[in-house]
Amino acid sequence: DAGVTQSPTHLIKTRGQQVTLRCSPKSGHDTVSWYQQALGQGPQFIFQYYEEEERQRGNFPDRFSGHQFPNYSSELNVNALLLGDSALYLCASSAVAVTEAFFGQGTRLTVV
Amino acid sequence: GQNIDQPTEMTATEGAIVQINCTYQTSGFNGLFWYQQHAGEAPTFLSYNVLDGLEEKGRFSSFLSRSKGYSYLLLKELQMKDSASYLCAVRDQNNFNKFYFGSGTKLNVKP
Repeated sequence: DAGVTQSPTHLIKTRGQQVTLRCSPKSGHDTVSWYQQALGQGPQFIFQYYEEEERQRGNFPDRFSGHQFPNYSSELNVNALLLGDSALYLCASSAVAVTEAFFGQGTRLTVV
Repeated sequence: GQNIDQPTEMTATEGAIVQINCTYQTSGFNGLFWYQQHAGEAPTFLSYNVLDGLEEKGRFSSFLSRSKGYSYLLLKELQMKDSASYLCAVRDQNNFNKFYFGSGTKLNVKP
């Protein structure tokens, strides 16, 4: 079992650019949530996807958008990047019968 | 709103016992989770409490008091590899895959 996989692991972008991050959930999981973790902080919920639809959203601007594919994998898109978007972006997958969420290793995004 | 507090940093000695506290004030509650996160790595699940009391898993134990909004993670027989950040998280009442995290406690284990 490959667990939750994210790509890329590191990324450097310039202010104003757009970025796409990818996540493949753990086998058997159909729900994907995205979190932003700033340095020294805990993860903050961005949004969640289930059945290819955004089900719930945290306090993040519309510059943050996403998508879920029929195979349950997901993408996080961020437009018009700001310096403050620099963070570790974590993907977590789960399913109804699963107690805990499983996290991927994250994508470290640096905006310069 | 959601408020989860835990100490920023703690230091303990190899072989000792350490307790990491977490207090929470959330609009709903569906379980309290502890995750371990080594620098640059994914958080990994340690323990879960939904009812009051103590849950023990090997060297790790977690306690919950819902009436007090309080939990702690107890680590016994500390090892150097236990040096990591420990995240306290409350699961959303209506969404099983949505968590509210504290800022994490960085534990430094010294020889």
